[in-house]
Amino acid sequence: AQKITQTQPGMFVQEKEAVTLDCTYDTSDPSYGLFWYKQPSSGEMIFLIYQGSYDQQNATEGRYSLNFQKARKSANLVISASQLGDSAMYFCAMRNTGNQFYFGTGTSLTVIP
Amino acid sequence: NAGVMQNPRHLVRRRGQEARLRCSPMKGHSHVYWYRQLPEEGLKFMVYLQKENIIDESGMPKERFSAEFPKEGPSILRIQQVVRGDSAAYFCASSPRQSNEQFFGPGTRLTVL
Repeated sequence: AQKITQTQPGMFVQEKEAVTLDCTYDTSDPSYGLFWYKQPSSGEMIFLIYQGSYDQQNATEGRYSLNFQKARKSANLVISASQLGDSAMYFCAMRNTGNQFYFGTGTSLTVIP
Repeated sequence: NAGVMQNPRHLVRRRGQEARLRCSPMKGHSHVYWYRQLPEEGLKFMVYLQKENIIDESGMPKERFSAEFPKEGPSILRIQQVVRGDSAAYFCASSPRQSNEQFFGPGTRLTVL
């Protein structure tokens, strides 16, 4: 069964605007972690933000914030004030209690000047 | 503190040859994960290792693939008798025990001719 679903294969956003990348997950574990990674065209995987399943507040890291809705099992990434350098693939991932990581299929974000 | 190292960065093999991919985790990290990324897809978990132990290999193909993480030296992902379908980017990640984050290496891009 697919654990992580990213329904947006491609997204466009105007420079300086905010954009939301969707992610839903499926798990029966009581404790889990949710992650977002950025993969630019150079290919490396860059950690962006983490949300624990018991965290009360939504995670924020600079221009990145994670809109965590536990009941809906969603963990959307919000990028504020988009920059040209934000153009990349973005992957949502989940870590279960067995310390396995599951990745979504990714969303390709293009920032338009 | 050097990041996760992978070598080679690019590897070309002919069908039937063996491929050996190396991963040196970050200093102090005892957990290593291997992932495969096919073109235009997300990362697929292959195997999770600790020093001298395979913790979870549920994502590894049953034949031709093996992984190890010896007491000394890097983790090795070995693919015997490669086929064209093995062409992919192989990423290694490490973490310091059960952690909120995995640190990814730059990946090895395997091309099978």
